[in-house]
Amino acid sequence: QKEVEQNSGPLSVPEGAIASLNCTYSDRGSQSFFWYRQYSGKSPELIMFIYSNGDKEDGRFTAQLNKASQYVSLLIRDSQPSDSATYLCAVLSGNTPLVFGKGTRLSVIA
Amino acid sequence: NAGVTQTPKFQVLKTGQSMTLQCAQDMNHNSMYWYRQDPGMGLRLIYYSASEGTTDKGEVPNGYNVSRLNKREFSLRLESAAPSQTSVYFCASSHLTGGQPQHFGDGTRLSIL
Repeated sequence: QKEVEQNSGPLSVPEGAIASLNCTYSDRGSQSFFWYRQYSGKSPELIMFIYSNGDKEDGRFTAQLNKASQYVSLLIRDSQPSDSATYLCAVLSGNTPLVFGKGTRLSVIA
Repeated sequence: NAGVTQTPKFQVLKTGQSMTLQCAQDMNHNSMYWYRQDPGMGLRLIYYSASEGTTDKGEVPNGYNVSRLNKREFSLRLESAAPSQTSVYFCASSHLTGGQPQHFGDGTRLSIL
C-alpha cells in the first residue's frame, strides 16, 4: 500500500510569515508530486506540481522535492489570511492512480 | 465555460435505496475520476476512467459501479446505499490519460440514513 503522510495540523502562522507544509511518501519509485489547496466546503484545486529534485517557484509558492529522503514540501511566503485552507499532497507512481495524503490545515492569523 | 459539473449537489437517501451521481466535463478531457472525501481521511479514489470506454477500480470500489457513457460523462451508481457511504463525492477530470486530476467538480454531499 503506497502511503502519503502529512501532519493534519492545524498549522498556525502569523500574516506575512512563511508557512512550511511537509509531506512524506513511501514509494521510492514515485515520479510526480502535486499540491492541492482546498478551502472549507469547496473542491480541491491544483496549485503546484514538481517532478525533479530541488525547488520550483510559482509566485509566493515554492515546492521542494528530495527524492533521496522521500519528502516534498510546500512553502508559502508572505502568508495571507486568504491562504487559510487545507493543503493536500499527492503522489503519482508509474501507472497507478494518484495517492493523496490526508491534508494539512493551515491557518494564517491576521 | 462550466468545467466539471456534478449533479445533484445534495442528496439524502435511506439505507437500501439506489441512486446515480452524474458528472460531465466540457474540456474534452480523456481521464475522469470519482473520489470520496470523509473527515480526516483525505481523498480516496473509488473508480477512474483513463479514456473513453475504459474503467478501473480505485482504492475503495466496493458498493459502487461506474459508467463512462461517452467522453464527456462519467456516472457513479450506488446500488444499495449504506450509512458507510455517507460522504462528499467529487468528480474530477484530466487531459492526461491516467494522470493527475486537474479539475474538480463542486462535489455531491450524500447522507444515508
